[in-house]
Formats: sequence, structure tokens, C-alpha cells
Amino acid sequence: DAEITQSPRHKITETGRQVTLACHQTWNHNNMFWYRQDLGHGLRLIHYSYGVQDTNKGEVSDGYSVSRSNTEDLPLTLESAASSQTSVYFCASSESRQPERYGYTFGSGTRLTVV
Amino acid sequence: RKEVEQDPGPFNVPEGATVAFNCTYSNSASQSFFWYRQDCRKEPKLLMSVYSSGNEDGRFTAQLNRASQYISLLIRDSKLSDSATYLCVVNGGNYGQNFVFGPGTRLSVLP
Repeated sequence: DAEITQSPRHKITETGRQVTLACHQTWNHNNMFWYRQDLGHGLRLIHYSYGVQDTNKGEVSDGYSVSRSNTEDLPLTLESAASSQTSVYFCASSESRQPERYGYTFGSGTRLTVV
Repeated sequence: RKEVEQDPGPFNVPEGATVAFNCTYSNSASQSFFWYRQDCRKEPKLLMSVYSSGNEDGRFTAQLNRASQYISLLIRDSKLSDSATYLCVVNGGNYGQNFVFGPGTRLSVLP
């Protein structure tokens, strides 16, 4: 069955370190997204991609970067981790032709703690 | 004003009760509307899309009022398993046609 997987599920890192969160989907979806979820803010868009070599900044992109070298993967990199980036990170994908009909499919999330 | 706003909750209701959640959105050009369900510490999952004519799926009914930019979700005969956070989702925010998520309303169904 097609799926979207995130790794690691949990990570603790130190301030200033570079961290990469993985997202891999086998739906063959063109659209992929990274969100962070914090109490009081809901899900906020970090970066998104509509296809290979396409990346775009979202609402809270500062301190984060993504790259899209193939359809299946959209890794999220924290260039220099900060305590403010402690959060739960969700990756999502959608069918490009009718996202308005089918919505997004989410990965199980990565809980990141920056100490 | 936030792009998507929801009743803050939490809603604590007894089993069998009917409960309604409200959501307002600011972008009058939005075309797609959804309700997602999120269980504690889990990923959001699509509950139902919301269509202009309103739609029903078992015990769940969603309504859309474009003039008032308002979406609602009605849950009838609440079950313990309905306990979750319900997220209102609208497309067409400041970043393309991507979805904007409301902060969610927490529901606890009590035995």
C-alpha cells in the first residue's frame, strides 16, 4: 500500500547543530509540504514543493530549507537548530490534479527537541 | 485577523449528545473546505470535505455558508471514539492554493 513515512519519529539535538528530517512518500504525489505544529498556533506551513526541483517558502520558513531531487522525497533541514524550533513536524503530500477534492495525506510526524 | 478561526473549546459532552463546531475564514476566494480529525500526538486525518450544498457522512454533517465565510460540523449521537481535536481547513491562503489549518477545537466525549 502507498504510504508517507517520516524519520526519525523522535529526535533530540543541541542548539546550533544542523538537523535533517526525512519524508518519503510512495503515492507518486507531485505536491509535498512541511508543517510544524505548536500549541496555540495549529499547523503552520514551512516549505512546499509542487514537483521535482520546485521549492517554495511558507509562512514560517526562516531557519529551514528543503530540496526536491525526486518525486518521493522532501527532506527538511534546520540549518542551525534553535530552541524555538522545538516542535512536532508533519510532512504531507497531495494529488496535484485535485488537492481540493482529496485533501492532504500526512506522515506520522517527527517530534524534535532542541536543547 | 487569523485566516482560519475556530471555537477554542474544549467541548466536554456526554455520550449520545449532539455537538456543533464553528469555523470562520477570511479569504473570500477560498474554494475548498475540509474538516480534519487529529487524535492526541497523531497526524491529522481527513474527516470530510465540505461542499456548497452541505454534506452528510453518517453521524457527521458539514455545512458551508460562503456569504458569511463560515463552516460548521455537526456530530450526532457522540461516541467515546469521537474524542479528538477537529481542524477546520481552507485553501487559498497567502502561499498559493495551499491549505490553511485552523487551530482546532478539542472534543471530549464523556461516558
